[in-house]
Amino acid sequence: LAKTTQPISMDSYEGQEVNITCSHNNIATNDYITWYQQFPSQGPRFIIQGYKTKVTNEVASLFIPADRKSSTLSLPRVSLSDTAVYYCLVGGEDSSYKLIFGSGTRLLVRP
Amino acid sequence: NAGVTQTPKFRILKIGQSMTLQCTQDMNHNYMYWYRQDPGMGLKLIYYSVGAGITDKGEVPNGYNVSRSTTEDFPLRLELAAPSQTSVYFCASSTPRQVGELFFGEGSRLTVL
Repeated sequence: LAKTTQPISMDSYEGQEVNITCSHNNIATNDYITWYQQFPSQGPRFIIQGYKTKVTNEVASLFIPADRKSSTLSLPRVSLSDTAVYYCLVGGEDSSYKLIFGSGTRLLVRP
Repeated sequence: NAGVTQTPKFRILKIGQSMTLQCTQDMNHNYMYWYRQDPGMGLKLIYYSVGAGITDKGEVPNGYNVSRSTTEDFPLRLELAAPSQTSVYFCASSTPRQVGELFFGEGSRLTVL
């Protein structure tokens, strides 16, 4: 199973771009990389998913290098409402669909 | 579609009591998961299922049991509740086509006194 490592916390200011990196050195061939956002007292919310290269949606971009041993979630122009915990999740068929979350990164956006 | 529905939302148990947390999804998802989240901590996988009749242990299965008799339902049973099981429990589901894209319920907050 791919173990993930993320920074425990990050600080940013409104309007800045935030990049959160996740390390997953033993990612399996068929594993996908998925990022979640969680606010207090709520369940995690899906942000973005990718397999390789770059994926972009309306809220974020996900950058995955060729060796897939890490990934970077990019949040453009963060606002106060982006203050949350962000989780990287790696898994798929090769891990028998056993989806284990890492410790997450607590992002604080300041005015 | 209601998505993933968990009941109850809140429950207080006494030490040694048993209860079942219910989880049902109406999206015809094959995969279902139970996680627990202690205050200020991350999510820990308790049990998961890749289809009706198939269940498997996660990271922290001790003290819990599950069953998956239908695609829709994945109840989590706590036997002999202990204070260490005080937590928020989340049920989630996903499909083979979008492995890792989990749809979560709103959570069940359990306190064991």
